[in-house]
Amino acid sequence: AQRVTQPEKLLSVFKGAPVELKCNYSYSGSPELFWYVQYSRQRLQLLLRHISRESIKGFTADLNKGETSFHLKKPFAQEEDSAMYYCALSGGAGSYQLTFGKGTKLSVIP
Amino acid sequence: DSGVTQTPKHLITATGQRVTLRCSPRSGDLSVYWYQQSLDQGLQFLIQYYNGEERAKGNILERFSAQQFPDLHSELNLSSLELGDSALYFCASSLLGGSLLGSGNTIYFGEGSWLTVV
Repeated sequence: AQRVTQPEKLLSVFKGAPVELKCNYSYSGSPELFWYVQYSRQRLQLLLRHISRESIKGFTADLNKGETSFHLKKPFAQEEDSAMYYCALSGGAGSYQLTFGKGTKLSVIP
Repeated sequence: DSGVTQTPKHLITATGQRVTLRCSPRSGDLSVYWYQQSLDQGLQFLIQYYNGEERAKGNILERFSAQQFPDLHSELNLSSLELGDSALYFCASSLLGGSLLGSGNTIYFGEGSWLTVV
């Protein structure tokens, strides 16, 4: 079974401070990992995916297969980063849906 | 704007009633997904359709059903509603229905339908 764990329900940081949102996953095969962001109960927006190895809005995430983690990082938090962040996993071939973590609410304090 | 359209945006109904939520996927997308977002359960995958056929089932109650029509829009039917069914129901779509690995197959979400059961 596949599972995504986001250990922090709420993370508060000051503006300009570094941010790290933790995500650990459980899956026996080769998963595909994503981060989605949700502002004020709006639609979920894809932030980034591990195969793209891109940086969006200053956020990056590296897949660590040894630690089964996909932590989201940003060196300097901005107020507009305040939102709910969801880590999600797709189990690869034969798996058609995303399994989401419970989400972490990021609050950036001015 | 993701291109995924959901109606209605808000709905208030009484227990025991039945409602239908509608979703139009992005132009060209063949796959539609339904998710339920509640405060206690988080985001739960309900069901997926691909080109009119059911492809995968998640934590969908027997009181709930869905279908995808020839024009690819989808409807989620919720019946015998209970207070606990109050939630935000998201529809999402993607081009493909199979593996997401390396295919660039991205899932795009709609704005959701707020259902309140009183």
